[in-house]
Amino acid sequence: SAVISQKPSRDICQRGTSLTIQCQVDSQVTMMFWYRQQPGQSLTLIATANQGSEATYESGFVIDKFPISRPNLTFSTLTVSNMSPEDSSIYLCSAGTGRETQYFGPGTRLLVL
Amino acid sequence: GDSVTQMEGPVTLSEEAFLTINCTYTATGYPSLFWYVQYPGEGLQLLLKATKADDKGSNKGFEATYRKETTSFHLEKGSVQVSDSAVYFCALSERNTGNQFYFGTGTSLTVIP
Repeated sequence: SAVISQKPSRDICQRGTSLTIQCQVDSQVTMMFWYRQQPGQSLTLIATANQGSEATYESGFVIDKFPISRPNLTFSTLTVSNMSPEDSSIYLCSAGTGRETQYFGPGTRLLVL
Repeated sequence: GDSVTQMEGPVTLSEEAFLTINCTYTATGYPSLFWYVQYPGEGLQLLLKATKADDKGSNKGFEATYRKETTSFHLEKGSVQVSDSAVYFCALSERNTGNQFYFGTGTSLTVIP
């Protein structure tokens, strides 16, 4: 299994600003993903973080709004850019050796005012 | 497309009661099915999984059987404890869609002493 930590655990931000969320895995993993969990809703995949190359985004999510980095096999960042109240959500990082086995971080609770 | 439909909550049970959380799915091929649990303030943890029809996943007294004929993967536990209070997510992953995860909306369970 893998243990995943995220920073920050929560934040309150002003609209128009950006927040970068960090995800650290305690072991090398093949795949890392970023999800959004909006209030009262399920998890939605934002993108797959690819090591050393551009992330693969799902429909409805774009790089300009959610730039992602993955410089190595254990670390990734997600930036939520030019935030609006609609971006208030829980952002979760997950990782694993394949899509069928994913381990999740504790999430970052973001509130945009 | 692929999707997961989960019993809506919240569910409140007394300790030692029997638990069932319904989950049905729609998939084009032969998905793997999962139950994840999210305890308060924590990330999602894999509770159990089943990768083919008639498989039964089990863990911590929880069970779910992959029923292809009814496209279901209902979660059951014979005697719940207060420590089982959490949000439970049903999910599927299918190779036809690149093993992307599809999550249900989650069911909140509260067990009272």
